[in-house]
Amino acid sequence: GNSVTQMEGPVTLSEEAFLTINCTYTATGYPSLFWYVQYPGEGLQLLLKATKADDKGSNKGFEATYRKETTSFHLEKGSVQVSDSAVYFCALSDRVYSTLTFGKGTMLLVSP
Amino acid sequence: GAVVSQHPSRVICKSGTSVKIECRSLDFQATTMFWYRQFPKQSLMLMATSNEGSKATYEQGVEKDKFLINHASLTLSTLTVTSAHPEDSSFYICSARGEETDYQPQHFGDGTRLSIL
Repeated sequence: GNSVTQMEGPVTLSEEAFLTINCTYTATGYPSLFWYVQYPGEGLQLLLKATKADDKGSNKGFEATYRKETTSFHLEKGSVQVSDSAVYFCALSDRVYSTLTFGKGTMLLVSP
Repeated sequence: GAVVSQHPSRVICKSGTSVKIECRSLDFQATTMFWYRQFPKQSLMLMATSNEGSKATYEQGVEKDKFLINHASLTLSTLTVTSAHPEDSSFYICSARGEETDYQPQHFGDGTRLSIL
């Protein structure tokens, strides 16, 4: 079956530091890949997505590239802000509009 | 953009009470809605998939008699936690499947924090 593995947190950074959150997946076929963000006490918001190999998703300074050869979709940001503090979930679906499989989430804490 | 409204945002009630949570798609028709449960510091666990006008499909290990799901219209699905007990305390999140032209596969509500005393 499908599965998503992401690095355990919390990830603690100072403002303006570089961020990487690793995500790898196991899936049959060619899944679509997503990063969601969850702020405290709220639901999930889609941060970015990629639907095929070598696609790069980007939004609000965050980027992730769909790497089929390494089955990875690592999230990066060049300079984090305090407002980026949240939990980040990597997810996949076996078709763009099918059921989502989530990783366990990685908490990011950014201090001033 | 597409919006999903979930109500209430927080419920505190006594053990044995039944609690209903509503999930509405505000500006689009959602033929499929999903219900998730999230434990503290853990990921979302899919509980069930709800299709308008038909019975929900429950994931393995989820008690269908405990968690009643109704999807009577294209804009509303409800989750009723029957005879709730402290172990049912959790964060429940619904989502609605977007249209095929939509950017994202599911639109999420803001969740319901359920606390059973």
